[in-house]
Amino acid sequence: QSVLTQPPSASGTPGQRVTISCFGSSSNIGREPVNWYQQVPGTAPRLLIFIDNQRPTGVPDRFSGSKSGTSASLAISGLQSEDEADYYCATWGDSLNAWVFGGGTKLTVL
Amino acid sequence: QITLKESGPTLVKPTQTLTLTCTFSGFSLSTSGVGVGWIRQPPGKALQWLAVFYWDNDKRYSPSLKSRLTITKGTSKNQVVLTLTNLDPVDTATYYCVLARRRGSCSGGGRCYYFDSWGQGTLVTVSS
Repeated sequence: QSVLTQPPSASGTPGQRVTISCFGSSSNIGREPVNWYQQVPGTAPRLLIFIDNQRPTGVPDRFSGSKSGTSASLAISGLQSEDEADYYCATWGDSLNAWVFGGGTKLTVL
Repeated sequence: QITLKESGPTLVKPTQTLTLTCTFSGFSLSTSGVGVGWIRQPPGKALQWLAVFYWDNDKRYSPSLKSRLTITKGTSKNQVVLTLTNLDPVDTATYYCVLARRRGSCSGGGRCYYFDSWGQGTLVTVSS
């Protein structure tokens, strides 16, 4: 049971816009920035979004992050086949004094 | 270019101790605002944070595993070592070494960092 809650799956067709949500609480997302990681099957995760909505160098601007209250979202516009991967949200859990992750969302490009 | 690479045994027996080494390049652990940590992922499951060693020699551990974990600097200045004692089959996972970076001028320990770069991971199986 993960501290942060994500839908287990999401899907979209090429070119479509998809949103993945991440639900937390006042002791984690409600007061700390959220980061998102992309994990293509068989590979290591890579940082996709940090501090709620910042993109590392090299991440396409098709990827965007947002946060409101105790939930965060990752949006992917202009969906491409290479976006098919698992996506994880993460933040600091103040009450746990530890980093916490979501259970991951498997994105399928139809 | 930043690289991190994990090394260690691929198969260990229950009750034994696991020792993993992270060898990194492209940054220095003595640079302010930097840390090297470990995250694991059981097969088909989510990511789980384990520990971080910070630039100022501070160390932080996952509360749920703290009694079994130790993170230290290696014999080489570009290495960090993780040990996990009293292994159980549930510890079977891919173990990732990660670079943690502090965001801006934030002060306050773990909450100020994010995991910037990841190693390729190493699969450790715990089985008799």
